[in-house]
Amino acid sequence: DAGVTQSPTHLIKTRGQQVTLRCSPISGHKSVSWYQQVLGQGPQFIFQYYEKEERGRGNFPDRFSARQFPNYSSELNVNALLLGDSALYLCASSFVGSNYGYTFGSGTRLTVV
Amino acid sequence: ELKVEQNPLFLSMQEGKNYTIYCNYSTTSDRLYWYRQDPGKSLESLFVLLSNGAVKQEGRLMASLDTKARLSTLHITAAVHDLSATYFCAVDTSLNRDDKIIFGKGTRLHILP
Repeated sequence: DAGVTQSPTHLIKTRGQQVTLRCSPISGHKSVSWYQQVLGQGPQFIFQYYEKEERGRGNFPDRFSARQFPNYSSELNVNALLLGDSALYLCASSFVGSNYGYTFGSGTRLTVV
Repeated sequence: ELKVEQNPLFLSMQEGKNYTIYCNYSTTSDRLYWYRQDPGKSLESLFVLLSNGAVKQEGRLMASLDTKARLSTLHITAAVHDLSATYFCAVDTSLNRDDKIIFGKGTRLHILP
């Protein structure tokens, strides 16, 4: 059974550009969360989506947006990239109400130059 | 705002020794997670602690949760080099009607042969 899959695995973008990151949750998981992990820090919450609706948003600027599709996959968009957006972006899926917690994908490493 | 504090942030220890990592959090929660992260990799789920007094063990690692003290511990017994990694605790905020998990800064564990 496939785990949480993220694409692409690595990405290099130039300041000011826009980027879209993709995530497919574990089959049966309807909740998807996005986290940003800067080198040497713990992951920071960006968004959570459940049943295609935004359920939570972290302290990130409006340049960050996300959506969830009918098949529960999700996209994270970041506009007007800054050097400080360079990070590992992690997607996690969960089965709401279960006792198994969150399963993380392998992440997308974004480098902004 | 929920704060999650881990200590120590860095730990260098000899193989065969025992040690404990502490995770304190600032608001009500009944669910706490421990994750392991190897350099350049994603987060691997270690333990899901669901209630006060919960204790779980896997190999040389044992985790516990005291919701009244808002404290979780990760105890390492007879450490081996393979346990070298960064360990994160993360607190579930769903009791606060907020669907996200908040991570500590992580404990970087280095086990010397």
